[in-house]
Amino acid sequence: AQTVTQSQPEMSVQEAETVTLSCTYDTSENNYYLFWYKQPPSRQMILVIRQEAYKQQNATENRFSVNFQKAAKSFSLKISDSQLGDTAMYFCAFMKGNSGGSNYKLTFGKGTLLTVNP
Amino acid sequence: DSGVTQTPKHLITATGQRVTLRCSPRSGDLSVYWYQQSLDQGLQFLIHYYNGEERAKGNILERFSAQQFPDLHSELNLSSLELGDSALYFCASSVGSGGARTGELFFGEGSRLTVL
Repeated sequence: AQTVTQSQPEMSVQEAETVTLSCTYDTSENNYYLFWYKQPPSRQMILVIRQEAYKQQNATENRFSVNFQKAAKSFSLKISDSQLGDTAMYFCAFMKGNSGGSNYKLTFGKGTLLTVNP
Repeated sequence: DSGVTQTPKHLITATGQRVTLRCSPRSGDLSVYWYQQSLDQGLQFLIHYYNGEERAKGNILERFSAQQFPDLHSELNLSSLELGDSALYFCASSVGSGGARTGELFFGEGSRLTVL
């Protein structure tokens, strides 16, 4: 079974600064996907960024980027130029790759509550 | 707006009662997933349906059941409710057969269940 660990229950950062959220995972799979989801106070889960395990290049989406270290099973999220709207709970998630089936079950970490201060 | 619709948004009921949560997936999505989010357990996968068939079960109690109908909407039935069932229940949908963004799930806003 897969496990996802987020060791930082809470973090805070000043507006415009950079913050990194940590995530480690445990799996015996070789083909998988990793995600960061954001849950703002509105509570809807929003995909921030995704990474395919077979890709060595780290994914980036505007101000969001990841540091994917496959051997270390580490998947951290870096938020640059933090904005007040980034205040949310951030969840790291793991999904097994599949060979054409349709099972996209996510295993989530416990989350990190990020507060961006003005 | 993710395109996934969940009703009701909030529900308050008593122990021992039964409730039904409803989910309409994004247009064209064949897969529906149910997740439970509670303070102590975090986000837990409950069950997955694909095109009307159950595909995977997670930590779903026997008091809970789900189904996906021919029009692809899904219902999660929770019975003999206990205080510990109070949680946010999310539905998510996906294309289900690969595509340009394989593996992306689209979440609804959740149904907040409070059991008193």
